Amino acid sequence: DGGITQSPKYLFRKEGQNVTLSCEQNLNHDAMYWYRQDPGQGLRLIYYSQIVNDFQKGDIAEGYSVSREKKESFPLTVTSAQKNPTAFYLCASSRIPPGANVLTFGAGSRLTVL
Amino acid sequence: GESVGLHLPTLSVQEGDNSIINCAYSNSASDYFIWYKQESGKGPQFIIDIRSNMDKRQGQRVTVLLNKTVKHLSLQIAATQPGDSAVYFCAENRGEAGTASKLTFGTGTRLQVTL
Repeated sequence: DGGITQSPKYLFRKEGQNVTLSCEQNLNHDAMYWYRQDPGQGLRLIYYSQIVNDFQKGDIAEGYSVSREKKESFPLTVTSAQKNPTAFYLCASSRIPPGANVLTFGAGSRLTVL
Repeated sequence: GESVGLHLPTLSVQEGDNSIINCAYSNSASDYFIWYKQESGKGPQFIIDIRSNMDKRQGQRVTVLLNKTVKHLSLQIAATQPGDSAVYFCAENRGEAGTASKLTFGTGTRLQVTL
């Protein structure tokens, strides 16, 4: 079945460590996204990519980095510069118009900083 | 700045009744809106979408209404079932035509279905 796979589902990190969250899609979507979700809040856009080897900052990109070396993959690195990294991270993908704008989401990765 | 918000943080509905979840948006230039359902610990699932050239769109047991005059969006769920219990988000697309979607999400409404 086509979909988005995020790993790991749960991740614990010590302060000062970088961690990388994996996101893989087999939907043949051009665009991929990373969102952050905090308890009781909506989703906020971290980074997005429309094409391989290109990506743009979203609303809260500070302390994060991404790469897009393959169409199927869009890993997110949470760096030590991110002051409050504990959150639920969601990866998504979509076609680019004139097709639908619907984003398909993965199951999420929950990062906890100890 | 532009924002998408929700009127009620929690909605409690009896099984079998209809549910109405409301959403206000402030960007009058937005041309595309989506409703997502999120169950605890999972990623959001697409429910229904609507473009700004429409007032109403129906799916299976769900209807989305768009009132551009007052910048209001609503999701109606008919014959609410226990499986409908979740947090519901509305989102508007800030992206330009022909580019990747840039969705702005509201804070969500939790729907609780009572037996």
